[in-house]
Amino acid sequence: GAVVSQHPSRVICKSGTSVKIECRSLDFQATTMFWYRQFPKKSLMLMATSNEGSKATYEQGVEKDKFLINHASLTLSTLTVTSAHPEDSSFYICSVGQTGEQYFGPGTRLTVT
Amino acid sequence: GNSVTQMEGPVTLSEEAFLTINCTYTATGYPSLFWYVQYPGEGLQLLLKATKADDKGSNKGFEATYRKETTSFHLEKGSVQVSDSAVYFCALSNGGGSNYKLTFGKGTLLTVNP
Repeated sequence: GAVVSQHPSRVICKSGTSVKIECRSLDFQATTMFWYRQFPKKSLMLMATSNEGSKATYEQGVEKDKFLINHASLTLSTLTVTSAHPEDSSFYICSVGQTGEQYFGPGTRLTVT
Repeated sequence: GNSVTQMEGPVTLSEEAFLTINCTYTATGYPSLFWYVQYPGEGLQLLLKATKADDKGSNKGFEATYRKETTSFHLEKGSVQVSDSAVYFCALSNGGGSNYKLTFGKGTLLTVNP
């Protein structure tokens, strides 16, 4: 299956700043990537579907101006959390869709102080 | 809409015990069903899957059978190991190709003690 990496694995930022998280498909050209958010002891919540060369499709209730997604190439999608606040602290995971399955990155732990 | 319900746990077992984690689903049509595992601090890994009724997915000693009549996909393992300690997610997909969505259950934390 597809190998997916994320960078950084952990990031701490101050309230009000912006943070960019990268998701890379290392061995597969991904036209579609997915971004999830996982709260402690909770399931994964799909935030948006990232489409290469076009605008992302956001799930209901997800602020598209706060969570900016850019899928500029077939191997890279980025999620930027703008003007981060402590309530944005979470584990963010991306995935790549391939042949009816999804392959997940290792996740990024964001802590906003 | 689609939904997945799984026992939330936590589940604590001794090594070599039998494991069952229940999962039921609600979906239109004929979804594909998945079990994912998440080890501490990591992303999700596909454990097994089944794409049609009566299919049995299996991997690393884990099994699950797609039961359409009971809309279930229970995960089982005959003898768990300490290394199986993780969070297990049941999920379904109604789509195909690369542009589809997964609906997850809330996850079940499994702890296996030596």
